[in-house]
Amino acid sequence: DTGVSQDPRHKITKRGQNVTFRCDPISEHNRLYWYRQTLGQGPEFLTYFQNEAQLEKSRLLSDRFSAERPKGSFSTLEIQRTEQGDSAMYLCASSLGLGEKLFFGSGTQLSVL
Amino acid sequence: GEDVEQSLFLSVREGDSSVINCTYTDSSSTYLYWYKQEPGAGLQLLTYIFSNMDMKQDQRLTVLLNKKDKHLSLRIADTQTGDSAIYFCAENGESYQLTFGKGTKLSVIP
Repeated sequence: DTGVSQDPRHKITKRGQNVTFRCDPISEHNRLYWYRQTLGQGPEFLTYFQNEAQLEKSRLLSDRFSAERPKGSFSTLEIQRTEQGDSAMYLCASSLGLGEKLFFGSGTQLSVL
Repeated sequence: GEDVEQSLFLSVREGDSSVINCTYTDSSSTYLYWYKQEPGAGLQLLTYIFSNMDMKQDQRLTVLLNKKDKHLSLRIADTQTGDSAIYFCAENGESYQLTFGKGTKLSVIP
């Protein structure tokens, strides 16, 4: 049994570059969530998918952020034209369905120089 | 809107009990959760309680829920140095998207 897997664990990029993170949820989980966590704060919800459908994306921080889950399995989160303020831990979580417990991955730590 | 408040720091001696408190605002929450985060790591689900329960015990962990006051607590019995971490309270509200507090940093003194 594998948990939620995120790749890469760390990403260092220069301002203005695009970055993409990947999340592989627990295999039978049909809900997948993206959160962002900055230093000293709790995780902040960004977006979520039910299978391949993105059901909520209004909380994505700007139009530079986008997420996909093309086949209802793994998901990617892309940040275009990164800014220093995007530096944070990006966490992925999955759940079996509506109202079920969320299980988190180890996160991707992004540093924008 | 949803809001979750926690005290930021707690320090206890090894072997003592730790009590971490949390208040929340969304009375429609069906579940309330406690997550643990160690440095540089993701969040580990510790325990959760359904909103129609008052108490849940799971080995060294006891969760108490006062729904009237929207107050949640986590008690860790016989606290060990390995319990040192940040503990997050979270509610799911109507949308089932978790809202987290800022976390309570638990320091265990040997």
